[in-house]
Amino acid sequence: DGGITQSPKYLFRKEGQNVTLSCEQNLNHDAMYWYRQDPGQGLRLIYYSQIVNDFQKGDIAEGYSVSREKKESFPLTVTSAQKNPTAFYLCASSMGGGYSNQPQHFGDGTRLSIL
Amino acid sequence: DQQVKQNSPSLSVQEGRISILNCDYTNSMFDYFLWYKKYPAEGPTFLISISSIKDKNEDGRFTVFLNKSAKHLSLHIVPSQPGDSAVYFCAASGVRDDKIIFGKGTRLHILP
Repeated sequence: DGGITQSPKYLFRKEGQNVTLSCEQNLNHDAMYWYRQDPGQGLRLIYYSQIVNDFQKGDIAEGYSVSREKKESFPLTVTSAQKNPTAFYLCASSMGGGYSNQPQHFGDGTRLSIL
Repeated sequence: DQQVKQNSPSLSVQEGRISILNCDYTNSMFDYFLWYKKYPAEGPTFLISISSIKDKNEDGRFTVFLNKSAKHLSLHIVPSQPGDSAVYFCAASGVRDDKIIFGKGTRLHILP
């Protein structure tokens, strides 16, 4: 059945390493989003993409990079430039079309920790 | 500067009673509001939404009220059930916005 798959569920990174979080959706949605959740901080937008081969920075893009080569995939790379990467990362998608007046569907998240 | 504010970090309600979660916003251009529910270690799930042309939207036990003049919305859950214990996020977006702004969430505890 349709949904969003994030992998892995738990990820550990050594300091100085880049890591890539996977997000795949089979909902045929145009728009995809990456959020970061920290305790007491709610959901903060990292990057989003409304269409293949195009993406925009969100509120906290520094230290992160994304690509959108396929409609169903929106991987997030946490680079070594991200000084505080320990967090719960959530990927979401929506129908898009330039309007956000429609719900976003979320994956179950990836928890990233620094060793 | 928070555009969507949930001023109560947590709320405890007796099972069977009404739960009322509140949300305030500052941007008068917001015209679409959503509530999400989130369990630990899972992604948020969409609960209910309301457009600014309405002041109430109901779906089963969940009702959202919108007061545009006060820039305030609330989510009512009646009757509250144990499975309602979760974090609830209020979110908003504006006309032709391509992103949604989330509040920090309210943790709801349903007491037996």
